[in-house]
Formats: sequence, structure tokens, C-alpha cells
Amino acid sequence: GAGVSQSPRYKVAKRGQDVALRCDPISGHVSLFWYQQALGQGPEFLTYFQNEAQLDKSGLPSDRFFAERPEGSVSTLKIQRTQQEDSAVYLCASSFYNEQFFGPGTRLTVL
Amino acid sequence: KNEVEQSPQNLTAQEGEFITINCSYSVGISALHWLQQHPGGGIVSLFMLSSGKKKHGRLIATINIQEKHSSLHITASHPRDSAVYICASEETSGSRLTFGEGTQLTVNP
Repeated sequence: GAGVSQSPRYKVAKRGQDVALRCDPISGHVSLFWYQQALGQGPEFLTYFQNEAQLDKSGLPSDRFFAERPEGSVSTLKIQRTQQEDSAVYLCASSFYNEQFFGPGTRLTVL
Repeated sequence: KNEVEQSPQNLTAQEGEFITINCSYSVGISALHWLQQHPGGGIVSLFMLSSGKKKHGRLIATINIQEKHSSLHITASHPRDSAVYICASEETSGSRLTFGEGTQLTVNP
């Protein structure tokens, strides 16, 4: 595709529900990043893939957060047993060298 | 730990004014990014620079590596420039970004 796409764009979950957020990077982009952006804040790093390898997951806030990119293309960020503090916009970015291209984000609201 | 700070947090200007947004960071970096975020979340890259100065249209970005400081300037500001401007540091090439909290710019006609 022409850019990075994310789905769903909006997700409302009840506390305790599991959610899965999808990112389709730009074709051929080796690197893929997930960021979390709370309301009124700058994005914060969650995790990073190079092809299918998850090279850095130091930003994942708890073991309820899990990300995968099994074929080195599409990535899924899964949040188990969602909590209210997980409410945020989840941004995905992909890059071939060092300029990152961002998707539109998924706005997650946990009630 | 790398920290990125921006100022001001909020900025209101009249159309035509010259605008400056400042960014400072705490560790050596390979590049400094300036990004624009419109309501709805979409983030667009404006500049990526590792030294000196870059210009694109009415936007100018500068960086002083020794002082660990960067500025984004907008000349002849326009209401369509209203957005959140975010600076982000990249410690090593191709690595994750560390973001500032953003500057909400509002340009009134």
C-alpha cells in the first residue's frame, strides 16, 4: 500500500477484555515500531522489530502486552486483560533506513 | 536515559508571525526529528537532521550538536499550520525515537 495502515482505527473494550491491534507496514520496510501515546503526551516506545525478530521490547509496560510479526510484514499488538490505564492511541511506524513513517493509530478506550 | 524537552507547551500566534519552537535533549544522538501531528492522530515527518540547518518552504529546522538543542521555525505563519509539533531524538541510526511532549500551535487569522 501507499502508507502504513492500522486497524481498527477505534476500539472500545470493557475492562478485562483482550484486544488485538493490527499494523500493515509499507511493503519492504524492514523495521517496525510500536508506540503508545496517552492523551496530551508525546508517544512512548513500546517495542521494535527488524523483519520477524523482536529486537527490543523494553517499553512494553507489563506482561499483558505482547507483540508479534511472524512473517516480517504485518504486526499485531495484543493486550490481555485490558485496564483503564491502557487507554491511549497506539501508533505503528515502519522504516527502511532511518526515517519512520507513521500509521494513523488505533485509539483504544477501556471502560 | 535520554530525555527530550520542548518549549513552549502551548503557543498562540497571529497569522503572519514568526514562530520558534525549542527542543533540548540529554544524550548524544544520531539524528533529531521534527514531526507534525494533526487532530485525529496522524503524524507526518517534517525534518530529520544531524547537523546544521534544513529548510522546506516556510519551515526551517536547526540543530546545535554541542549544546544538544534544536529549533523549529515557521515563517509567515498561517492558520493551516495549527497542529502539534513534536521533536524526537534517535540515539543510534535506525533505532527507536524518544519524543518530547509536543507543542500545541494555534495560529489565528
